[in-house]
Amino acid sequence: QVQLVESGGGVVQPGGSLRLSCAASGFTFSHYAMHWVRQAPGKGLEWVAVVWSDGNDKYYADSVKGRFTISRDNSKNMLYLQMISLRADDTALYYCARGYILTPNNWGQGTLVIVSS
Amino acid sequence: DIQMTQSPSSLSASIGDRVTITCQASQDSKNYLNWYQQKPGKAPKLLIYDASNLEAGVPSRFSGSGSGTDFTFTISSLQPEDIATYYCQRYDNSFRLSFGGGTKVEIK
Repeated sequence: QVQLVESGGGVVQPGGSLRLSCAASGFTFSHYAMHWVRQAPGKGLEWVAVVWSDGNDKYYADSVKGRFTISRDNSKNMLYLQMISLRADDTALYYCARGYILTPNNWGQGTLVIVSS
Repeated sequence: DIQMTQSPSSLSASIGDRVTITCQASQDSKNYLNWYQQKPGKAPKLLIYDASNLEAGVPSRFSGSGSGTDFTFTISSLQPEDIATYYCQRYDNSFRLSFGGGTKVEIK
């Protein structure tokens, strides 16, 4: 079955950097777009970014553009999110999700990022 | 940016009631609209895709309709396990996604 396991979250100071990872299994990773979606504590869902199956096309929410970079390694079945210049409002649970193109249809359990001094 | 207005933000209903949630887009979204269920402490789960298509394995009491700017999500007979927050989500040809604010469904 589809399994997505996020890691790399933690506590980071404002202005700091963090790299999230998502290990995928149970499906042909290279055939699917992959998304990052986040959820601030007690708040709703916010889409962050998507990368196409071949890794060549990437799209971002305006709130993270220029600070976050989504990437993937199809040889390792891994998805990444490099985050720089982190701000307090980036504090959230970050989910990776397999996409039927622009429909995230399988989600991991998330990794928590806390931006605080 | 295209805004998604989801209403109500919360509702309370009895077991067996029909529950309806609406989502309105600020621009024509064709049928590019999905619905998710999120139970407390859990990841979201896709229920309806492309406005009206039931995801595999999802009970038939869940349904969706609409196109353009106005969309509706319905639970035909509310069950105890349906207690959750529900989100609409649209996508478009700019390859960006946006979520509605969510509707928290509780038992009366």
